[in-house]
Amino acid sequence: SQQGEEDPQALSIQEGENATMNCSYKTSINNLQWYRQNSGRGLVHLILIRSNEREKHSGRLRVTLDTSKKSSSLLITASRAADTASYFCATDAYNDMRFGAGTRLTVKP
Amino acid sequence: DAGVIQSPRHEVTEMGQEVTLRCKPISGHNSLFWYRQTMMRGLELLIYFNNNVPIDDSGMPEDRFSAKMPNASFSTLKIQPSEPRDSAVYFCASTISRGHGYTFGSGTRLTVV
Repeated sequence: SQQGEEDPQALSIQEGENATMNCSYKTSINNLQWYRQNSGRGLVHLILIRSNEREKHSGRLRVTLDTSKKSSSLLITASRAADTASYFCATDAYNDMRFGAGTRLTVKP
Repeated sequence: DAGVIQSPRHEVTEMGQEVTLRCKPISGHNSLFWYRQTMMRGLELLIYFNNNVPIDDSGMPEDRFSAKMPNASFSTLKIQPSEPRDSAVYFCASTISRGHGYTFGSGTRLTVV
């Protein structure tokens, strides 16, 4: 069963714009992770944020975590056509890690 | 490092046949996971191992599915007998320990006709 739910399900933007994806979850977590999946490929780990952290940066990626609201957001700044992919949040709840349904991001050149 | 290696990349089989999917995790990673991805159900955790021991197999759909990890460098997921509804992409992932990111293999696309 899935734990996280991403919002929106699909997002289409122009190159250079920022993209924001949200994730909500239901149970207490140890950490939350974001992954990218290009069509027909495996998932690639982007960033991990622990439950005691509120914000984390990695290059053009910014992740926030609000454990009181059980939600997280992923911001991709200055998007590129190569960022076109599906993005998944995954919640690590001590015993296993479960993925949301993903947000399909399309960046138009 | 070659990453997580899965084989075969594609498998087409007839209903009722046995299917075996294989995975070689990254050397030194202590946890291994099998996921199934479909359009309808998304990514589902089937089973995970820690230090070669199955920890949670509650995601295995039914008795037709079984998984083994005989040593730290090899795991199999077996479906016997296979059914058309088993058609999906099966991913193997490994991590050095809980609390770290997972490295996924390229997946096995299984088609049962």
